[in-house]
Amino acid sequence: AQTIHQWPVAEIKAVGSPLSLGCTIKGKSSPNLYWYWQATGGTLQQLFYSITVGQVESVVQLNLSASRPKDDQFILSTEKLLLSHSGFYLCAWSLSTSQNTLYFGAGTRLSVL
Amino acid sequence: GEKVEQHESTLSVREGDSAVINCTYTDTASSYFPWYKQEAGKGLHFVIDIRSNVDRKQSQRLIVLLDKKAKRFSLHITATQPEDSAIYFCAASAGGNNKLTFGQGTVLSVIP
Repeated sequence: AQTIHQWPVAEIKAVGSPLSLGCTIKGKSSPNLYWYWQATGGTLQQLFYSITVGQVESVVQLNLSASRPKDDQFILSTEKLLLSHSGFYLCAWSLSTSQNTLYFGAGTRLSVL
Repeated sequence: GEKVEQHESTLSVREGDSAVINCTYTDTASSYFPWYKQEAGKGLHFVIDIRSNVDRKQSQRLIVLLDKKAKRFSLHITATQPEDSAIYFCAASAGGNNKLTFGQGTVLSVIP
């Protein structure tokens, strides 16, 4: 069975500080990977997707970047956090990029103060 | 781009009754419509989906209906139970990078 693990569970960070969030998928080779962001009390917005190691496509510009250093790992980062980065970050995987079910991780709650 | 509107922001039903959540979308090219459930402070859990080649799909107590003409789809939860209480999100995708456009979410409360 596939498992998706996100870390950390929660972060409290200062404006201007760096950030790195991680996501690991086990039990599935070459998954498509996604980062979604959910503003507090709001809906979800796709940030990045990756179909293979080393390739990441940006969907929305939020002064964030993403990388896929390994087949089973997806990293979301920024060098300087903004207040507007606060929210819930969700990693997800799917079998392909074509209308397949997304399976989400438990998420990381980020508070930027 | 695609816009998905979820019509009920909150919904309260009595245990055993049915709950219906309605969504509309704008992109006629959308052909995949999943529903997700989010419990407090947790990630999203896939519950059911429908593709544009059918207009009805059922999985146990969950029924999804799709009206392509009206660009509308709905989730029906029958015989509701307290554990159905959660936030439900509808979404739509026209394919390509699996970009799901989500609705705003419906907070469903099932009253025992």
